[in-house]
Amino acid sequence: RKEVEQDPGPFNVPEGATVAFNCTYSNSASQSFFWYRQDCRKEPKLLMSVYSSGNEDGRFTAQLNRASQYISLLIRDSKLSDSATYLCVVNTNAGKSTFGDGTTLTVKP
Amino acid sequence: DTAVSQTPKYLVTQMGNDKSIKCEQNLGHDTMYWYKQDSKKFLKIMFSYNNKELIINETVPNRFSPKSPDKAHLNLHINSLELGDSAVYFCASSQDPTGGNTGELFFGEGSRLTVL
Repeated sequence: RKEVEQDPGPFNVPEGATVAFNCTYSNSASQSFFWYRQDCRKEPKLLMSVYSSGNEDGRFTAQLNRASQYISLLIRDSKLSDSATYLCVVNTNAGKSTFGDGTTLTVKP
Repeated sequence: DTAVSQTPKYLVTQMGNDKSIKCEQNLGHDTMYWYKQDSKKFLKIMFSYNNKELIINETVPNRFSPKSPDKAHLNLHINSLELGDSAVYFCASSQDPTGGNTGELFFGEGSRLTVL
């Protein structure tokens, strides 16, 4: 079983749609959680950290369920510019960041 | 100023050659990493250095040898290149997740290696 698992998609949605990505992790000792975004032929960049109480940044909402070892990312009112690959990242207390294989999103006009 | 810079951006070489990729960060971070992203876009950690000390060494062939002359630099040397080494290699850095730091990874733009 992979340490971090994501639905690879692809997700193809129209502009304005709401889309949710899920991620599960296997190491119950994981300490911190993130969503990164990677555009085609670019480097990954942090989209948002994921906190236990859940957190929101504009159209983006991240949730963490430690009991189920599950992380989610919700994007509301999708824009064309949201098209990218979204990577779930889990850190252990040893400082190791493990990336999921990514979920590809394409937002269409 | 680029925070994490790596060179070269593109590298095309023949099987059996030896090549190096260099990485520098000006963020004052303590930890630096090498990641490999293959043709399927899977991003896997290879090595991690904290203050010049190797702390993570995943299952990587010993043809790959990282070297950190100081905490701002982490280079990757690859001997006897093979076809399967073709990938994008990303350097990254982070600050230790203490004192409010999240441990966010800052990536370089990547070095695209093609082995012919």
